[in-house]
Amino acid sequence: DGGITQSPKYLFRKEGQNVTLSCEQNLNHDAMYWYRQDPGQGLRLIYYSQIVNDFQKGDIAEGYSVSREKKESFPLTVTSAQKNPTAFYLCASSIMAGVGNNEQFFGPGTRLTVL
Amino acid sequence: LAKTTQPISMDSYEGQEVNITCSHNNIATNDYITWYQQFPSQGPRFIIQGYKTKVTNEVASLFIPADRKSSTLSLPRVSLSDTAVYYCLVGGTGRRALTFGSGTRLQVQP
Repeated sequence: DGGITQSPKYLFRKEGQNVTLSCEQNLNHDAMYWYRQDPGQGLRLIYYSQIVNDFQKGDIAEGYSVSREKKESFPLTVTSAQKNPTAFYLCASSIMAGVGNNEQFFGPGTRLTVL
Repeated sequence: LAKTTQPISMDSYEGQEVNITCSHNNIATNDYITWYQQFPSQGPRFIIQGYKTKVTNEVASLFIPADRKSSTLSLPRVSLSDTAVYYCLVGGTGRRALTFGSGTRLQVQP
């Protein structure tokens, strides 16, 4: 089955620790995205990548870092610099970024709780 | 990026038609209009997309007037399972990622 996976589904970390969220897709999509969603709110774009070894900051990139070493993978690291990291994190992919009828496919999400 | 405005919430009953309107006054010539549906604790799911006039698929219709400054998502005969948040997105021009707003929370009651 083609799709996009995120792991783990739930993640607990102590304050001050860095944590990395996994996102993998086997859809052969060029573009991948990370969003953050707080309770009752919409999605906010953290980072996106249009091609391997390239990525751009979204609206709320501070305190986060990403890498895109492989087309299939786009891990997100939540660093200790992120002031309020507890949230629901969603990864998505699309054929290309920002081009015409460009449907994004979303993973199931990771709920991060910082204690 | 074109900003979108949608109602924060809507209520309906099973079997009714629901129309959710989105305003996007600054839509660019090459922008598409896309609607997503999101259930709690899940990622959004693509519903429908259009550029102008009317688009229909198996789950919804999208009406876009000639000036394209607004669009209306129409859900025919909603059921309880249509209770979700619906997002209107405008974009597709250039290489910038799309932006999700706060969405419209639709509550369908029996």
